[in-house]
Amino acid sequence: AQSVSQHNHHVILSEAASLELGCNYSYGGTVNLFWYVQYPGQHLQLLLKYFSGDPLVKGIKGFEAEFIKSKFSFNLRKPSVQWSDTAEYFCAVTLYNNNDMRFGAGTRLTVKP
Amino acid sequence: KAGVTQTPRYLIKTRGQQVTLSCSPISGHRSVSWYQQTPGQGLQFLFEYFSETQRNKGNFPGRFSGRQFSNSRSEMNVSTLELGDSALYLCASSSTAGGSTDTQYFGPGTRLTVL
Repeated sequence: AQSVSQHNHHVILSEAASLELGCNYSYGGTVNLFWYVQYPGQHLQLLLKYFSGDPLVKGIKGFEAEFIKSKFSFNLRKPSVQWSDTAEYFCAVTLYNNNDMRFGAGTRLTVKP
Repeated sequence: KAGVTQTPRYLIKTRGQQVTLSCSPISGHRSVSWYQQTPGQGLQFLFEYFSETQRNKGNFPGRFSGRQFSNSRSEMNVSTLELGDSALYLCASSSTAGGSTDTQYFGPGTRLTVL
């Protein structure tokens, strides 16, 4: 079945630790890939997106993600997390020319000060 | 530019009632998509409207419906409410109907509680 999988349900890190959140998708064909973040009490905000070109994309707040086509993966990374990064992170996929966005289950990140 | 706005922000209804939620997209955006967010099922796509036409539909019963007006504002309606319809309903807008450079921007959501 077509799906988006996020490997970690809840990640707890200390400040300055490095972060990597996994995301795999099972859609064939051309896809657009996104990471959204939902801070407590706030709406979904776009962190970064991949449409084509350089598979390493940089987003806001020091986040980056790497698209590995052979692995159907789009993992999110940040070299040094801050307490303010505490939030829920969602990986999402749309098929080319389509706004039907499919989300992973989300990963809750808790950063301890 | 103002972001996506949704009204009302909170709603409490009882089983069997119907409800209408409203979404105003970012100025100039012509596509509006609706999503349901629940703790158990996560974020699920409901439907998308573009230029007043439903373009895509997710796997939800016919009790869920929507429409879009000529100014791109959209409404979604849920009839015969069930307890399981309690959720955060999110609206997202984008400038086109999907494409290689399209991005969806989300509103704050409407929290619906069905008693």
